[in-house]
Amino acid sequence: EPEVTQTPSHQVTQMGQEVILRCVPISNHLYFYWYRQILGQKVEFLVSFYNNEISEKSEIFDDQFSVERPDGSNFTLKIRSTKLEDSAMYFCASSEVTGFTYGYTFGSGTRLTVV
Amino acid sequence: AQTVTQSQPEMSVQEAETVTLSCTYDTSESNYYLFWYKQPPSRQMILVIRQEAYKQQNATENRFSVNFQKAAKSFSLKISDSQLGDTAMYFCAFMKQAGTYKYIFGTGTRLKVLA
Repeated sequence: EPEVTQTPSHQVTQMGQEVILRCVPISNHLYFYWYRQILGQKVEFLVSFYNNEISEKSEIFDDQFSVERPDGSNFTLKIRSTKLEDSAMYFCASSEVTGFTYGYTFGSGTRLTVV
Repeated sequence: AQTVTQSQPEMSVQEAETVTLSCTYDTSESNYYLFWYKQPPSRQMILVIRQEAYKQQNATENRFSVNFQKAAKSFSLKISDSQLGDTAMYFCAFMKQAGTYKYIFGTGTRLKVLA
């Protein structure tokens, strides 16, 4: 069964450093998403991406965050200058059509620890 | 704004028995979709079941079924014949019919199936 692949599975970074979280969505999917889950809290929407542009972003997704689909297969989330409160599990997801038809396929997540 | 509430942080059930996980939501939308996702310890979220708000018939997927009460804004998940592999965090999620297809998640219910 096709999978959404996220790398790395765990990343530790110094506060103020830039990190790039990588995702390879399912190849025929058109909609891409990033969510995050702070330990013990709910899963929160960050951004959705369609047709090579952001279609919606949450208030969490400030100027420190950016997304890119650089080569038609990868989908990356960049955090420009990490803060302690960015420590969380970050999930990438994709959907073939509008997400309500079949739901999303989620990746296994990247645990980001900012020290 | 939409909200999703899961009032049971943790539950346990004996193997082979039935358990019901609660979810309520608040929205002014008339057309929307509701989902249950399972997040086992491996972390990847997996779609369990989905329900269209315009359908009165409750969705079922094998041992999983929902009790959708639109007027009460309630969407509970029933797991019959519980198996050890059902041990996971379960998230209820809401999606508007129109828009960018983002999920609003509840805080989750941690379910443990006991042998």
